[in-house]
Amino acid sequence: DAGVIQSPRHEVTEMGQEVTLRCKPISGHDYLFWYRQTMMRGLELLIYFNNNVPIDDSGMPEDRFSAKMPNASFSTLKIQPSEPRDSAVYFCASSGQSSSYEQYFGPGTRLTVT
Amino acid sequence: DQQVKQNSPSLSVQEGRISILNCDYTNSMFDYFLWYKKYPAEGPTFLISISSIKDKNEDGRFTVFLNKSAKHLSLHIVPSQPGDSAVYFCAASAFSGAGSYQLTFGKGTKLSVIP
Repeated sequence: DAGVIQSPRHEVTEMGQEVTLRCKPISGHDYLFWYRQTMMRGLELLIYFNNNVPIDDSGMPEDRFSAKMPNASFSTLKIQPSEPRDSAVYFCASSGQSSSYEQYFGPGTRLTVT
Repeated sequence: DQQVKQNSPSLSVQEGRISILNCDYTNSMFDYFLWYKKYPAEGPTFLISISSIKDKNEDGRFTVFLNKSAKHLSLHIVPSQPGDSAVYFCAASAFSGAGSYQLTFGKGTKLSVIP
């Protein structure tokens, strides 16, 4: 299996622009998580899905952030409009029922908003 | 309010010696604990875990100890190898209904193993 795939790996954008991050979970996994890593706050959960349905989005910082999972093999995290304080590494992770505690992470997207 | 704390941002150990990474938690509802390892430019990878019904779990050179009364867990690496140099994250989980297993992470400890 290819593991969790994220794209792009790096994104540099100007303040005010829309940013879309993409994730393909491991095939067969029914949980998908979006995290953000910063020096100040560490790894924080933004939102997670179960069977393509958002379960908890309480970690989404503002209405500028939105996430979708249109099918079992694809999810997006969108920031519109982006701000410099959104600069961080964004990770996607997935897990399955057989090992629900163990989450498998993608390589992350490093976002820089100037 | 940090529910999972790793108070040492960094740790240096000589190759062959024991590395001990510590983690404290505040939420008594946590019932499962994990350690993840992260290399630069990669995502965290699962290393070892322990259920709250146990006090020790061992996997090769890695052992995790859990002290529930102190709300403390530790990861022991023996012997330490240069390839173990990475950032180690402690994570904890509490079942929150709807079949969900959310993880709460500490901020990580950067381990450097010196050859």
